Amino acid sequence: GQQLNQSPQSMFIQEGEDVSMNCTSSSIFNTWLWYKQDPGEGPVLLIALYKAGELTSNGRLTAQFGITRKDSFLNISASIPSDVGIYFCAGQRGGGADGLTFGKGTHLIIQP
Amino acid sequence: EPEVTQTPSHQVTQMGQEVILRCVPISNHLYFYWYRQILGQKVEFLVSFYNNEISEKSEIFDDQFSVERPDGSNFTLKIRSTKLEDSAMYFCASSSRTGWFVHTEAFFGQGTRLTVV
Repeated sequence: GQQLNQSPQSMFIQEGEDVSMNCTSSSIFNTWLWYKQDPGEGPVLLIALYKAGELTSNGRLTAQFGITRKDSFLNISASIPSDVGIYFCAGQRGGGADGLTFGKGTHLIIQP
Repeated sequence: EPEVTQTPSHQVTQMGQEVILRCVPISNHLYFYWYRQILGQKVEFLVSFYNNEISEKSEIFDDQFSVERPDGSNFTLKIRSTKLEDSAMYFCASSSRTGWFVHTEAFFGQGTRLTVV
């Protein structure tokens, strides 16, 4: 099946630092999504990307849909304590009925 | 803000028993999904449902699993004879169809933690 390679697996940063994580795939996806998951909760959608090359921001978050449609990155600027959590990339091959393929997640830890 | 709701939040069942996990998707959404997440692992797609039938299913979704939309609001996942390895967090999600290119965003519920003992 399709796989998404997400890196890094975990990040230990200081509050205020910028964060960057990415996902790559050997297959093309038509939609890339970035989710954040807090402990015991479901994934919460952060950013959705629909077109190759698209760059989208949501507050301190910026994500890009790679031009080849096989990769995406998420940047978080000026991290704050509530950014702690697990970030997942997800890709969708087609439209509404297609299931999402998730990456293994990036665990963000902010050191005081 | 509309949200996907799931019940129960935690279900403990004995191996071999049947369980039904319930979900109320966002009211104007047309596509419904079940995903699972084994503790510490990635979220995995199980099944998608549209127009009262299964649209797509993964290899995980074998004959032990079934889905149903019994009325206009609920969406259920049934596991007929639970196994130890079915222990996981099960997430329901729903999405809406918008635009020519059927771009969608899946919104997830908070999950049901299933523990099979």
